[in-house]
Amino acid sequence: EVQLVESGGGLVQPGGSLRLSCEASGFIFSDFWMTWVRQAPGKGLEWVANINQDASEKNYVASVKGRFTISRDNVKNSHYLQMTSLGAEDTAVYFCASELTTLGAFDVWGRGTLVTVSS
Amino acid sequence: QSVLTQPPSVSAAPGQKVTISCSGGRSNIETKYVSWYQHVPGRAPKLLIYENNKRPSGVPDRFSGSKSGASATLGITGLQPGDEADYYCGGWDSGLSNGVFGSGTKVTVL
Repeated sequence: EVQLVESGGGLVQPGGSLRLSCEASGFIFSDFWMTWVRQAPGKGLEWVANINQDASEKNYVASVKGRFTISRDNVKNSHYLQMTSLGAEDTAVYFCASELTTLGAFDVWGRGTLVTVSS
Repeated sequence: QSVLTQPPSVSAAPGQKVTISCSGGRSNIETKYVSWYQHVPGRAPKLLIYENNKRPSGVPDRFSGSKSGASATLGITGLQPGDEADYYCGGWDSGLSNGVFGSGTKVTVL
C-alpha cells in the first residue's frame, strides 16, 4: 500500500526550531519529487517546498525561504522539513505529498502533522 | 493572498450541478497544468482532476475539469451530501518558481 506518514509536529515557542519527517512506503521513493503543503487554522492550502529525486533541486515559497530547509534520505525512504525562526504564522497542519502517477498533481498525501507556534 | 482566485463558497441542492472557477495568470494557469483537490477538514486532501481535465482512477465522472486561457473550472454534477468539502485548484507558477493553490471554495449541499 502506498503511504506517507508525517511526524515531528508539536508545540514550539516563537523563534524556535522543529524538524518534520515524512516516511514513505509502497513505492520507489527515490524516483519521485516530494513536497510539503500546509494549512493554517481557518485558512486554505499553501504549497511550502519541494525537492527532486536526488536533492539537486529544491524550491520554496517566499514566506519560508531562508528559514526552512527541505531534504531527503533515499536510503531511509524519508524526507524532512527543517524549520527555524518559527513564528505564529507558521502554525499549521503540515502535509507531505507526492506526484506518483500524475505529473504536476499530488495523488498521494499523508494525514498531516500539527505544528503550533506559541509561547 | 493566494495567487489563484476562487469564489469563497458555492451551494446547490442534491442532484444539481455546481461549478467552481479558478483565475490565475500567464505564469500559472495559462501556461501550466491545473489540478483540483477535495479537502474535508481533518483528512488528507484528495486529487480529483490533473492535467486540466483528467480524472485519477476511482474519481467519479461527476467531477470534470476544463481550462480556457488563464482560468480553469471544476464542475460537479449530481451533487451529493458527501460532496460537501473545500475544493482547491492547484498548479505551478513559473514566475515564482513554486507551487500554488487557489484560495479554496466551500461547497455546501442544501
